[in-house]
Amino acid sequence: NAGVMQNPRHLVRRRGQEARLRCSPMKGHSHVYWYRQLPEEGLKFMVYLQKENIIDESGMPKERFSAEFPKEGPSILRIQQVVRGDSAAYFCASSPYREQGARNSPLHFGNGTRLTVT
Amino acid sequence: KQEVTQIPAALSVPEGENLVLNCSFTDSAIYNLQWFRQDPGKGLTSLLLIQSSQREQTSGRLNASLDKSSGRSTLYIAASQPGDSATYLCAVRRGGADGLTFGKGTHLIIQP
Repeated sequence: NAGVMQNPRHLVRRRGQEARLRCSPMKGHSHVYWYRQLPEEGLKFMVYLQKENIIDESGMPKERFSAEFPKEGPSILRIQQVVRGDSAAYFCASSPYREQGARNSPLHFGNGTRLTVT
Repeated sequence: KQEVTQIPAALSVPEGENLVLNCSFTDSAIYNLQWFRQDPGKGLTSLLLIQSSQREQTSGRLNASLDKSSGRSTLYIAASQPGDSATYLCAVRRGGADGLTFGKGTHLIIQP
């Protein structure tokens, strides 16, 4: 049973380019969460999605960032016109339930995508 | 706004010692608290999850306690081993909210 799969593992983009990060949740999980970890900072919640719906995007920057979780295929975190400050590790997590950490249901994280903007 | 603080930021101890990692949070209205482990270049592994109504959880050599009223949690690691070397993260979930609030972690090194 594969875990949460994120790709690519490493992504290098020049300033102004677009970055697309993909996340395939664990089998049977329909809830996806994206977090960002900046150097020397803790993980910060960005967005929570269910299939075809954005439920909570309170942690998403207002501009250039968007996320989707289509009916078929992986969840995508898209960053347009990347800047150096976007360099970070982006983690995806999935859960079978809405409540993160519901009883007997810890959150499952992928290994992350490390984005470097040059 | 919920803030989570972990002390110490880094810790290095000889193998075999028992140790305690600390986590504090500013808003006691939490739904649950989780401890994670993060290895270099890897994702997070959930270690223990404590619901707000619970006082502690145990898994093997790990024991996590929660004092919600004082906004504190501790992770106790017994008989530490070099394989325990990692960054340990504490995260809380506010009731009704979807995102976890993480601390910056404690970077633990167990010397063989």
